[in-house]
Amino acid sequence: DIQMTQSPSSLSASVGDRVTITCRASQSISFFLNWYQQTPGRAPKLLIFAASNLQTGVPSRFRGSESGTDFTLTITSLQPEDFATYYCQQSYSSPFTFGGGTKVEIK
Amino acid sequence: QVQLQESGPGLVKPSETLSLICTVSGGSINTYYWSWIRQAPGKGLEWIGSIYYSGSTNYNPSLRSRVTISIDTAKNQFSLKLTSVTAADTAVYYCARTWQQYHFDYWGQGALVIVSS
Repeated sequence: DIQMTQSPSSLSASVGDRVTITCRASQSISFFLNWYQQTPGRAPKLLIFAASNLQTGVPSRFRGSESGTDFTLTITSLQPEDFATYYCQQSYSSPFTFGGGTKVEIK
Repeated sequence: QVQLQESGPGLVKPSETLSLICTVSGGSINTYYWSWIRQAPGKGLEWIGSIYYSGSTNYNPSLRSRVTISIDTAKNQFSLKLTSVTAADTAVYYCARTWQQYHFDYWGQGALVIVSS
């Protein structure tokens, strides 16, 4: 199975901050990396697919990028509704695995 | 707007079979893949398996011996059966629409299933 390692596992930030979350794959997954946002008690929401493609309706402050087996989700200016847990997921090969999550908390 | 809704028992006894149905509304179940994903309390996400509208399936090897996913295109529903459950199967079970590239764009609200006697 491909292991997805997210860092950090949690972070504290303020509204307006630039936030960066990293996901590293245990092997090459090309661009088959997706990002989700989950708030407590809710289902995950797709933000980014195929490493850098913004899902319809997602604000442009969310950006995805890749460098080899390292992938980054950047929130350019954190908004109050962005405090949540973020998960990466590889869709390169079955079983399709998720990272452990990054919880973004209010500083 | 596509909507998915999970339904089924919220409590299952150990060693019995967990059964859930996902009803899709606002769009046809045809043409897409459909998946089940679960999340144990306070834990991360685990892909269980997926089914194409034609009926072909793809399961997580860690659960393959116990999982069956089926689809009923006439009812716009797909279902999950997980046999021989234990407490470790206690989780919120989500159904999700799935693209061919296996990203999940529409999700149900989730169904909490507790395995306990």
